[in-house]
Amino acid sequence: QKEVEQDPGPLSVPEGAIVSLNCTYSNSAFQYFMWYRQYSRKGPELLMYTYSSGNKEDGRFTAQVDKSSKYISLFIRDSQPSDSATYLCAMRGNTGGFKTIFGAGTRLFVKA
Amino acid sequence: GAVVSQHPSWVICKSGTSVKIECRSLDFQATTMFWYRQFPKQSLMLMATSNEGSKATYEQGVEKDKFLINHASLTLSTLTVTSAHPEDSSFYICSARGPSGEEQFFGPGTRLTVL
Repeated sequence: QKEVEQDPGPLSVPEGAIVSLNCTYSNSAFQYFMWYRQYSRKGPELLMYTYSSGNKEDGRFTAQVDKSSKYISLFIRDSQPSDSATYLCAMRGNTGGFKTIFGAGTRLFVKA
Repeated sequence: GAVVSQHPSWVICKSGTSVKIECRSLDFQATTMFWYRQFPKQSLMLMATSNEGSKATYEQGVEKDKFLINHASLTLSTLTVTSAHPEDSSFYICSARGPSGEEQFFGPGTRLTVL
């Protein structure tokens, strides 16, 4: 079993839809949870960063962490064609030298 | 802020030659940088962790003599792929631990093609 599981998709939605992306994980030591957006042939761009459980909102993006279920989500409201990219979840613990574990990434297509 | 650059963005080389990739933190000092490899439609695979002024820590299965990492200053880390072979063709991405120490910022990546 992988430490982090993420459905690779692809996920195709119409413009304006609410997108829900999620990851599950097995290591209860993870404390920091991130979402990155990666366009084709580019490096990942940090979108959201949360510590421990709870919600965090930034513009059209909302990140949720449920540590009891070992489940994290990213919601995108009013999705735009420019949101079409691969979304990677990532997480790490307090120890281990800052080593970050990434999900496989979900490919999202937002159709105009 | 927190911008990381990589050079070159793409490189094509002949089998058996060596290639150096540079990773720079442009507006902050990075005591820790990371090198990743990414295959098409796959996630990031950590190759090594680079700390300024000390030897890099390589992940299991990564040949340290083949992938030479140098982190000589707080803003520059280099990855040299020695005696490159076609199977080394990949997308190499570096990242740097951000100013707050909590976040990680990525470079734009370098696409290496070995003929």
